[in-house]
Amino acid sequence: EAGVAQSPRYKIIEKRQSVAFWCNPISGHATLYWYQQILGQGPKLLIQFQNNGVVDDSQLPKDRFSAERLKGVDSTLKIQPAKLEDSAVYLCASSLDRGQGELFFGSGTQLSVL
Amino acid sequence: GQQVMQIPQYQHVQEGEDFTTYCNSSTTLSNIQWYKQRPGGHPVFLIQLVKSGEVKKQKRLTFQFGEAKKNSSLHITATQTTDVGTYFCAGRGNTPLVFGKGTRLSVIA
Repeated sequence: EAGVAQSPRYKIIEKRQSVAFWCNPISGHATLYWYQQILGQGPKLLIQFQNNGVVDDSQLPKDRFSAERLKGVDSTLKIQPAKLEDSAVYLCASSLDRGQGELFFGSGTQLSVL
Repeated sequence: GQQVMQIPQYQHVQEGEDFTTYCNSSTTLSNIQWYKQRPGGHPVFLIQLVKSGEVKKQKRLTFQFGEAKKNSSLHITATQTTDVGTYFCAGRGNTPLVFGKGTRLSVIA
């Protein structure tokens, strides 16, 4: 079984630039999550999708972050414009059932904002 | 909002010693999960606890869920170098899963 795929693996940008991350969850997983993990901290949920609908985006900085999951499969997370404090690893995860079971994480995208 | 606290933040042990990390939630949880993240890697699911007072074992790892469903612990017996990494608890109450800050385990051979 293929795991959660994410790209790119690394990204370096300057502040005020834009960046986008892509995620392909495990086939058949209805729930998709985007987490932000700052160095030395635990993952922080940014947004949770159930199929192509948003379940929770209460911690998503909506003035600069946006996410979509068209057709209920792949998802993209965008930051526009980026700030220095956005430097972190962005993890995508998926789960089979309605957000109750284990999460399967991708390898993440390490973002450095200079 | 719901908060999940973990202690200690770091733990250094000699190989063969035991290790315990503790997790406390500000609210009652419906379930709690534990994940392990190796250096440079991503979190990998270890276990989920659902019932009050539940105890589960995986080889040298023992997981407990408190009677009040607000705290949990992970105990590793006779640590090995392969146990190195950061252990996260993640609690689910009325909100989506909230992760603690993790306990980073170093094992000295």
